[in-house]
Parts: sequence; C-alpha cells; structure tokens
Amino acid sequence: KQEVTQIPAALSVPEGENLVLNCSFTDSAIYNLQWFRQDPGKGLTSLLLIQSSQREQTSGRLNASLDKSSGRSTLYIAASQPGDSATYLCAVVKTDSWGKLQFGAGTQVVVTP
Amino acid sequence: DAEITQSPRHKITETGRQVTLACHQTWNHNNMFWYRQDLGHGLRLIHYSYGVQDTNKGEVSDGYSVSRSNTEDLPLTLESAASSQTSVYFCASSATLEKLFFGSGTQLSVL
Repeated sequence: KQEVTQIPAALSVPEGENLVLNCSFTDSAIYNLQWFRQDPGKGLTSLLLIQSSQREQTSGRLNASLDKSSGRSTLYIAASQPGDSATYLCAVVKTDSWGKLQFGAGTQVVVTP
Repeated sequence: DAEITQSPRHKITETGRQVTLACHQTWNHNNMFWYRQDLGHGLRLIHYSYGVQDTNKGEVSDGYSVSRSNTEDLPLTLESAASSQTSVYFCASSATLEKLFFGSGTQLSVL
C-alpha cells in the first residue's frame, strides 16, 4: 500500500527566506506526482505536476524535484512572501491507478512579514 | 467560466439520517472523484466515476454511495450518517486523469 509522508507538518519562516517542503512515498511505481496548495476553507489548487520520467518542474518561484528511485520529492519556493502562507500537499498516482491520487497530510506554511 | 461547485458548503445532521452532498461541474469532464479530508490523514478517495453510469469504490467507501446519471453531476450519499463521517468533503473532476480541479468543499458535521 502506497504511503505518502510530508515532513514537517508545519513550518514558519520570515519573509524572503526560501521554503523547502519534503514529500516521501513508499512505492516507486508511480505515474506522476503533484503538488497542491490549499488555503483555509478553500479547495485545492494544482501547482506543479511531475511525470515519472521527469526530474523537475518549474513555475515562476516554484520548483519541484522528483527522485523516483528514492521515493522523494521536494518543493522549493524562492523568496517567500506572506501570500505563500497556506497548506501544501503532495499526491502521487500509482501506475495502475489512473486518476486516483494518494495524498500526504500536508505541510502548513506560515510566512511572517 | 467553467467551474465545479459543491453544495451545501456547510451541513449539520444527526446520526442515522441520510445525507446527500452535491457536486456539479461545467467542464464536461468524464472523470469525477469524491475525497474526504481529516486532520492528520490528508485526502482519501471515497468513490470515483470515469463516465455516465460508471462508479467505483475508493479507499474509504463504506457507508457512502454515488450515482452518475449525467456528465455534470456526481452526488455523494451517506446512507445512514455516523459521527465518524464528520469531515470535509471535496469533489474533483478531470478530463485527462492527470490534472484534477477541486471544488471548495463541504464541511459536514454529524451529531
């Protein structure tokens, strides 16, 4: 059974620092991995999607890496801003489970001005 | 603009009652999903559908049912609500099974 873990559960950084969020998964037979952002009382917004054949994806200040063999992904957010405060979740799709995401519990991020 | 909407946003019910949560999307996506989110567990898949008349059980389907009579809607029914079903419920849809679009959620309290 695929287990997805996100450490730490919560993180607080001053504005301007780079954020590093970690995600690990136990079964390397994945189709893709996604990072989502969730604001309080809101749904999830997809940030980055990495296919299993890719090593990283970038969008603006966000960069996500994927090391499938070691079961790890890292989301980097450069020069954090208070508006980056949210919960960040990673989710994987196994190769035999199209469309069925398995989520980590998330990392709650607070960026202080 | 196309969107996915869930209703109600908040619901309080009593144990043993039947409850239906609505999910409606206007993207014409074939694939729709229901997840529940609990503290410490992330989101867990309840049911999903790949098209009209197709429904499948997810990881935590006991006590829940869905039906898919058209492309736009996937209502989630709790047959006999239990306190363990107090949670936040999210509906999602997808055209490609890669990028999912999520609704804003329904907060359900079972007393």
